[in-house]
Amino acid sequence: NAGVTQTPKFQVLKTGQSMTLQCAQDMNHEYMSWYRQDPGMGLRLIHYSVGAGITDQGEVPNGYNVSRSTTEDFPLRLLSAAPSQTSVYFCASSGVAGLEQFFGPGTRLTVL
Amino acid sequence: KQEVTQIPAALSVPEGENLVLNCSFTDSAIYNLQWFRQDPGKGLTSLLLIQSSQREQTSGRLNASLDKSSGRSTLYIAASQPGDSATYLCAEHSGGGADGLTFGKGTHLIIQP
Repeated sequence: NAGVTQTPKFQVLKTGQSMTLQCAQDMNHEYMSWYRQDPGMGLRLIHYSVGAGITDQGEVPNGYNVSRSTTEDFPLRLLSAAPSQTSVYFCASSGVAGLEQFFGPGTRLTVL
Repeated sequence: KQEVTQIPAALSVPEGENLVLNCSFTDSAIYNLQWFRQDPGKGLTSLLLIQSSQREQTSGRLNASLDKSSGRSTLYIAASQPGDSATYLCAEHSGGGADGLTFGKGTHLIIQP
């Protein structure tokens, strides 16, 4: 099992550009989520999904969109990148909500 | 809004010492608590998960405890090694777990050879 995979590992964007951060898991997990990690702020929840076709907002959802068309994939879309979205983004999954969560290696995003 | 606090923010100890990392949380209806390790520039590695009905969990040299009444969890590391150097994060699940994890800001641990 590859576990939770994320692409790309690094990305530089200009203000106003859009992009999609990819997340995939091969463990048949129902629950998937996205976090951002910022110095001094810790990790904060952006969006989560309890199963295919179901998504909901976390603590810091503004500027991000998600969809969950398959159990395996949970992409995070930045519609119009802003410097405030410079961060490290982590995707996580668990069998169902509330069980042990497993994290991907992260995507380091810089918005100029 | 739930809060998770980790003290100390940084800790440096000589190799071989036993040590305790502290985590406190405000959620009296905690669902479970998870400890992670994060190496510089890397993702989070799950160490231990303690369900709200449990008092402790053990894995090798690691032992994590949970005291819901006092809102505290501790991670005990026995016979520390330089390879244990990392940032340790605790995070709690609330609301049945669907609302994701609330993280502390971590304890940066250095084990001196």
